[in-house]
Amino acid sequence: DFQMTQSPSSLSAAVGDRVTITCRASQGISNFLAWYQQKPGKVPKLLVYAASTLQSGVPSRFSGSGSGTDFTLTISSLQPEDVATYYCQKYDSAPRTFGPGTKLEIK
Amino acid sequence: QVQLVQSGAEVRKPGASVKVSCRSSGYTFTSYYVHWVRQAPGQGLEWMGTMYPDSGGTNYAQNFRGRVTMTSDTSTSTVYLDLSGLTSEDTAVYYCAREYSYSDDAFDIWGQGTTVIVSS
Repeated sequence: DFQMTQSPSSLSAAVGDRVTITCRASQGISNFLAWYQQKPGKVPKLLVYAASTLQSGVPSRFSGSGSGTDFTLTISSLQPEDVATYYCQKYDSAPRTFGPGTKLEIK
Repeated sequence: QVQLVQSGAEVRKPGASVKVSCRSSGYTFTSYYVHWVRQAPGQGLEWMGTMYPDSGGTNYAQNFRGRVTMTSDTSTSTVYLDLSGLTSEDTAVYYCAREYSYSDDAFDIWGQGTTVIVSS
């Protein structure tokens, strides 16, 4: 079965910190990788697609990188409004599997 | 503006079925696929399957085959999710989300979510 894993599962960081979340695919998916942000009680929001392309309107402190099986989402300077759970998702083919999520909190 | 508007919350008894709708507006309905994703309380996102409005085709996740049906009505730009044989484990928020149909793409617009509670 195809799997997406994320690490860490949760993290706490201070405002202004650089934060990195990792996503790994069990098989190569080229750059067909998206990142979503879900704030508590809200609908998931697309942040990054094609592994590194920022969706329109997403702050430039967010960036994505990677290809093949290993991907990262980086927040260059953490802001209070970034408290959320972040999910990666592969979309090269079905199933459109999501990672288990990384819960980000402010220290 | 571009949006997906879902039907309201539902409560069902175990063994029953539920039908959730997702009405699109602000874009060409047949140019985008519609996916269904669910999220159980306190859990992550689970992809359920895809509706292809242009062809009427579907692709269901293995976990749901046999009890999920996705349909579409191009006259009202609406996609439907029908889930049968409900158990308490189907209690979740169900989201629809669109994907541009001319290339493998991410889900750029999501519906507001529909809460389904399964309880006796």
